[in-house]
This record gives sequence, C-alpha cells and structure tokens, in this order.
Amino acid sequence: DIQMTQSPSSVSASVGDRVTITCRASQGIGGHLAWYRQNAGKAPELLIYEATTLQSGVPSRFSGSGSGRDFTLTITSLQPEDFATYYCQQSSSFPLTFGPGTRVDIK
Amino acid sequence: EGQLVESGGGLLKPGGSLRLSCAASGFTFSTAWLNWVRQAPGRGLEWISHIKSKIAGGTTDYATSVRGRFTISRDDSRNTVYLQMSGLKTEDTAVYYCVTGGGYHGFDYWGQGSLVTVSS
Repeated sequence: DIQMTQSPSSVSASVGDRVTITCRASQGIGGHLAWYRQNAGKAPELLIYEATTLQSGVPSRFSGSGSGRDFTLTITSLQPEDFATYYCQQSSSFPLTFGPGTRVDIK
Repeated sequence: EGQLVESGGGLLKPGGSLRLSCAASGFTFSTAWLNWVRQAPGRGLEWISHIKSKIAGGTTDYATSVRGRFTISRDDSRNTVYLQMSGLKTEDTAVYYCVTGGGYHGFDYWGQGSLVTVSS
C-alpha cells in the first residue's frame, strides 16, 4: 500500500496569510494526487486533482504543485472558511490512501 | 450539481450486520464510479470500497481493513449504491460517506455522511 504523510500536522495562521502544506508518498505516484478541505462537522470538499488542476468552483487562492513523491498545497490570502483540516490523497493505485491531515487554525 | 444522500446508519453490537444505502441525483449515475469513505470520531479519512461503472467492468476494490466483511454493490435502475457490512467491530465506528470518483480526478461529490456506531 502507498503511505501518505503530511507536514505540518497543524499550523496557526491569520486571515490574509499564505499557508503551504506538503504531502509525501511512500513511492512515486506520478501526478495522481488530490487535495481536500474539510470544515468542522462537514463532508470533505475536493480542491485540486492531478496535483495541479483546480476543481471547478474552487477559488484561485488554492494551488497545487509537485510530482513523483513530493507535493504541495498553497493557500494565498487565507479566508475565514479556510480554517479547516486539509487532506492529500493518492489516486495512483488501489487501495486509495489519504494523508493524516493538516489542521489550519486561527492564530 | 451532484447530490448523494446516505441512509441506514445506526447503533449495533459487535458481530452485527448493517446495510448502508446512498441515493444519487444530479449526474449520470450509470457511468459514475462510486466509493465509500469513512471517518472514525476525531480521526482522518479512510477509503474503504470502490465500484466502477458497469461499462468500465463493474469491478470492486476494498481496503484490507474491510475486505471479506463488507460488500459494495450498485443498482443503476435505482441510482443507488449500497454497502453491506457484516462482522462489525468496534473499530468500524465511523461516519460513512458515499462519494463519487476514485479515479484520477479525485473524489468529487460527497454525501453528508451516515453514522455507524458499533458498541456492546
């Protein structure tokens, strides 16, 4: 199985800040990586797929980069609704696996 | 806009069985790939099952944690996907989400989730 790790596990930030989250796969997954945002008590929401492609309707302050084993999610100008937990997920092979999550909370 | 509505969750004892249902609307169900993803209380997300569309072969996949105990199926005439769960364990306690996708485009539509609690 492909293991996913994320760093940091949590980060404190303010509205308007830039936040970067990294995700690493235990083996190469090409560009087959997605990012999700989950607000408290809600279902996750797809932000980015194939490492860099913004899902329809997702604000442009979200961007993704990377390939192989190392990936990055960047949020420019953090908004109140962005205080949430973020997960990466590899779609390269079954079993599909998620990272443990990165919590972004208010400083 | 796709919509998924889960039902069938509840409180069960270890060893019990339960079937979750997920009714879909707003997209072409017959060509959709479908999944169940769960989240234990205070924990992260865990993909547990996938079924492809019939035109893609209708094949299924399972996480090791549920293989042999859970079965995913679909009824395209009812726009519904099911998760039959048996041999339930306390560690199966979670919110179960019905989700479309599972290919390279990620999990795009999510249901609101159905809580399954396994406790003696």
